[in-house]
Amino acid sequence: EPEVTQTPSHQVTQMGQEVILRCVPISNHLYFYWYRQILGQKVEFLVSFYNNEISEKSEIFDDQFSVERPDGSNFTLKIRSTKLEDSAMYFCASSGQPRETQYFGPGTRLLVL
Amino acid sequence: KNEVEQSPQNLTAQEGEFITINCSYSVGISALHWLQQHPGGGIVSLFMLSSGKKKHGRLIATINIQEKHSSLHITASHPRDSAVYICAVSRGSNYKLTFGKGTLLTVNP
Repeated sequence: EPEVTQTPSHQVTQMGQEVILRCVPISNHLYFYWYRQILGQKVEFLVSFYNNEISEKSEIFDDQFSVERPDGSNFTLKIRSTKLEDSAMYFCASSGQPRETQYFGPGTRLLVL
Repeated sequence: KNEVEQSPQNLTAQEGEFITINCSYSVGISALHWLQQHPGGGIVSLFMLSSGKKKHGRLIATINIQEKHSSLHITASHPRDSAVYICAVSRGSNYKLTFGKGTLLTVNP
């Protein structure tokens, strides 16, 4: 069964460093999402992406964040200068159509020291 | 006020019991989703519904649009059902998900 994959599974970085989180959505999907979950809190929407551009972003998704689909398969989330409060689990999700079920990747656990 | 409220926050049951988890939402939605999150963190979509009732195996999800309320039922619960169950709603053209805080279910043998 097709699945969404994410790399790395864990990343530890120093405050101020740049990180890139990678996702490979399901191959025929067109709608992509990033969510994050701070430890002990609910999952929060970050950004949605369709047709090579951001379709919606949350207040969390400030200038330090960017997303890109550099080729036909990868979907990346970049955090330019990480802060302690960026420590969280980051989930990528994809769907074939916006009205369809979103399929989630296993997540990347980011720890900023 | 959160857009999505779940109850209870924690639920402990004995194997075989019938489980109900409730979700209320405060805004108009396109669809309501029930998801399962295991201790390792991965999230799996269980149901997406906009009306009526859906069933998959021992899981049943219902929604009442007028009352802005949904329930997830688990029949004949089993220890492997132990997980966090999350209600989320989607609205707008992008169908981004707005999540509840989740219900931690523990089923004891």
